[in-house]
Amino acid sequence: DVKVTQSSRYLVKRTGEKVFLECVQDMDHENMFWYRQDPGLGLRLIYFSYDVKMKEKGDIPEGYSVSREKKERFSLILESASTNQTSMYLCASSRTGGAGSEAFFGQGTRLTVV
Amino acid sequence: AQKITQTQPGMFVQEKEAVTLDCTYDTSDQSYGLFWYKQPSSGEMIFLIYQGSYDEQNATEGRYSLNFQKARKSANLVISASQLGDSAMYFCAAPDSSYKLIFGSGTRLLVRP
Repeated sequence: DVKVTQSSRYLVKRTGEKVFLECVQDMDHENMFWYRQDPGLGLRLIYFSYDVKMKEKGDIPEGYSVSREKKERFSLILESASTNQTSMYLCASSRTGGAGSEAFFGQGTRLTVV
Repeated sequence: AQKITQTQPGMFVQEKEAVTLDCTYDTSDQSYGLFWYKQPSSGEMIFLIYQGSYDEQNATEGRYSLNFQKARKSANLVISASQLGDSAMYFCAAPDSSYKLIFGSGTRLLVRP
């Protein structure tokens, strides 16, 4: 079974803190993604990576950075957390394979910034 | 670029009945895939079913099936014999040319006992 694991299910952080959200997949997938999900806004892509040390901005990269030093791990970093980053964060991975590359998701991290 | 449209923000269905969740897409790609995901209140995204644009048959997975109409660019999810556990958000999605998944806005399904 494909497994995508996010380091925390729930997280509460203070404004201004540096926050790390970790994601690990065990299927040797090339692609990894970070989405955030907010009521009424659906899933929005923050960053994605198609290879180690490669990253591409998604639709809403501002206030975030990412790191992919190893193929299986993709980290999302909030450099200075703000209350408008309170959200559900979802990590996903997929193979590179044209039209058939379904993404497998982690369980999500509900982040609250106070 | 891909665009996915789900026009039903919420749907009700009686337990044991069938329900259809709509999805239309807009793509200029010749080869593409369409996915449906389920998101229960716990938050995880669960992959349900996949349809490839060149598949001759509509995809089926247990109680889930896709009503794929390529000419109309629609890929509606049909859930047969609804169960209480089917109450969730449902998202239609498709990868763009750089493999990132583009999602529709989702449909919240509530199954009534």
